[in-house]
Amino acid sequence: AQKVTQAQTEISVVEKEDVTLDCVYETRDTTYYLFWYKQPPSGELVFLIRRNSFDEQNEISGRYSWNFQKSTSSFNFTITASQVVDSAVYFCAQDSNYQLIWGAGTKLIIKP
Amino acid sequence: NAGVTQTPKFQVLKTGQSMTLQCAQDMNHNSMYWYRQDPGMGLRLIYYSASEGTTDKGEVPNGYNVSRLNKREFSLRLESAAPSQTSVYFCASSEWRAGGGYEQYFGPGTRLTVT
Repeated sequence: AQKVTQAQTEISVVEKEDVTLDCVYETRDTTYYLFWYKQPPSGELVFLIRRNSFDEQNEISGRYSWNFQKSTSSFNFTITASQVVDSAVYFCAQDSNYQLIWGAGTKLIIKP
Repeated sequence: NAGVTQTPKFQVLKTGQSMTLQCAQDMNHNSMYWYRQDPGMGLRLIYYSASEGTTDKGEVPNGYNVSRLNKREFSLRLESAAPSQTSVYFCASSEWRAGGGYEQYFGPGTRLTVT
């Protein structure tokens, strides 16, 4: 069965520290997509990134970077030089049969 | 371009009452979804509509019905509300193609309390 695990329930760091959010997935599909979403305290869900299973290149977008490793079934998300505005719940998800399978989320707290 | 809109934003119901949550998208997406998010938890899929004219059950469909009114609109109905249905409800939409892979875009959510 498809499953997405975010083992870190909550992470708290001081501003400007780097932080990595872990995501491990299980799938038997040979082609699949992985996603990260952000849910700030205001409650909306914001799409961050989509990654195809054929593309294992790391991706960087400003202070955000993603490390996709098929060998360990992981799709980790790193925030460099964290800021208070990064405080949010972050969800990892994988698509399966036109639906998204969601992890439970990691609550990230950035202290000033 | 409003994206995905949901009404109402907040609702309080008494046990046994019924209501319909409305969702509309203006991105010409084929697929639409209804999720619930309970406090401190992730999203659970209630129902989805891969394309106009089709609906399918998700992980937690009991107590809910849906209608895909047209390509833009997808409503969620609670026939007889129960306190266990107190939650935040999100509607989402996405493109659709064989093989999947499209990100979903979410509405702002409806906070529902059943007393």
